Amino acid sequence: LAKTTQPISMDSYEGQEVNITCSHNNIATNDYITWYQQFPSQGPRFIIQGYKTKVTNEVASLFIPADRKSSTLSLPRVSLSDTAVYYCLVGDIRDSSYKLIFGSGTRLLVRP
Amino acid sequence: DTGVSQDPRHKITKRGQNVTFRCDPISEHNRLYWYRQTLGQGPEFLTYFQNEAQLEKSRLLSDRFSAERPKGSFSTLEIQRTEQGDSAMYLCASRPQTDEQFFGPGTRLTVL
Repeated sequence: LAKTTQPISMDSYEGQEVNITCSHNNIATNDYITWYQQFPSQGPRFIIQGYKTKVTNEVASLFIPADRKSSTLSLPRVSLSDTAVYYCLVGDIRDSSYKLIFGSGTRLLVRP
Repeated sequence: DTGVSQDPRHKITKRGQNVTFRCDPISEHNRLYWYRQTLGQGPEFLTYFQNEAQLEKSRLLSDRFSAERPKGSFSTLEIQRTEQGDSAMYLCASRPQTDEQFFGPGTRLTVL
């Protein structure tokens, strides 16, 4: 499975847009890019998933360039409650045994 | 609340004791995963079930670990002769055919 690299931590302020970039140079043709969010003492929660170009849902956008070697999670107008660890993962979601391979994630701190 | 429940939420035990955790997945999900997470790290895959069949086990799952999903519904993870290094959060996730994984709140194990 492709390895991902993302910043260890990021700081932001309430109301700002936060962009977290993930590098996945060895992404395979069948791999999708997925982001999860985790609060302390809780299990990870799915945020967004994409294969190419741009995906947007009610909480985030995911930008994927044509070469797919990186991706950027964009959180618009963050609030204090967005303080969490964000994980970028790649893998073939159509694989029936698809298991998630987590890195260390990016710790986002949102300040008032 | 994702619909995946785990019991107990916290377990403190003495080294050498056996412990068993339970996971109740979302009822229509036929895929079930166990992960382990230590402080400051992302979750690590332990094992995967499709219905009642255990199809994949990580090398992290030593002989002291056993997991079952007898009727393809709930699952148990047992650790025999616990060691201090087993202290971690144990996470269960379930997944429908092809979609994101839904995580439970986890069971935090402390081995004294």
